[in-house]
Amino acid sequence: KNQVEQSPQSLIILEGKNCTLQCNYTVSPFSNLRWYKQDTGRGPVSLTIMTFSENTKSNRRYTATLDADTKQSSLHITASQLSDSASYICVVSAGYGNNRLAFGKGNQVVVIP
Amino acid sequence: NAGVTQTPKFQVLKTGQSMTLQCAQDMNHEYMSWYRQDPGMGLRLIHYSVGAGITDQGEVPNGYNVSRSTTEDFPLRLLSAAPSQTSVYFCASSRDSSSYNEQFFGPGTRLTVL
Repeated sequence: KNQVEQSPQSLIILEGKNCTLQCNYTVSPFSNLRWYKQDTGRGPVSLTIMTFSENTKSNRRYTATLDADTKQSSLHITASQLSDSASYICVVSAGYGNNRLAFGKGNQVVVIP
Repeated sequence: NAGVTQTPKFQVLKTGQSMTLQCAQDMNHEYMSWYRQDPGMGLRLIHYSVGAGITDQGEVPNGYNVSRSTTEDFPLRLLSAAPSQTSVYFCASSRDSSSYNEQFFGPGTRLTVL
């Protein structure tokens, strides 16, 4: 069964500090991996997509990495801001379609001043 | 562009009642889908549609019906509500069914079944 495991489940960080979120997956066949940000009471919003050949991709203060050999991805948040408080969801595509996605449970991040 | 809109935002039902959750998008997207999000679980696919007139079941379709008569609208019908259907429901759309195309999510409908 395709599975996506995220860690830590939740964390609290001080404003201005960095943090790294982990995503391990057992999905086959692998097509791509996407990180979403979900603010409380809102729908998820895509941050970045990683394909098999990509190792690192940045989007403002968010940097995603992918190691397709070990089936691991990380999302690094640099110089955190209060607006980074959210759930970050790792989603892995097992094949071509958006109907073949495996969702992680999310990393809950709380940034405190 | 309003993006993906959902109504209502909140709803309380009694067991056995039926209702329709509305979803609309103004981006001319072919692909639309419905998910439910429960505490401690990842999003789960209920139904999806690759275009007007075409729908298919996702991972957890029991107790739900959908139709897609237009490109813009994709309503989700609860036939006879049960407490197990208490959840937050998200509608999403993407340009087509390829997973390389980002899905845009609506703001969600929080449903409580008593």
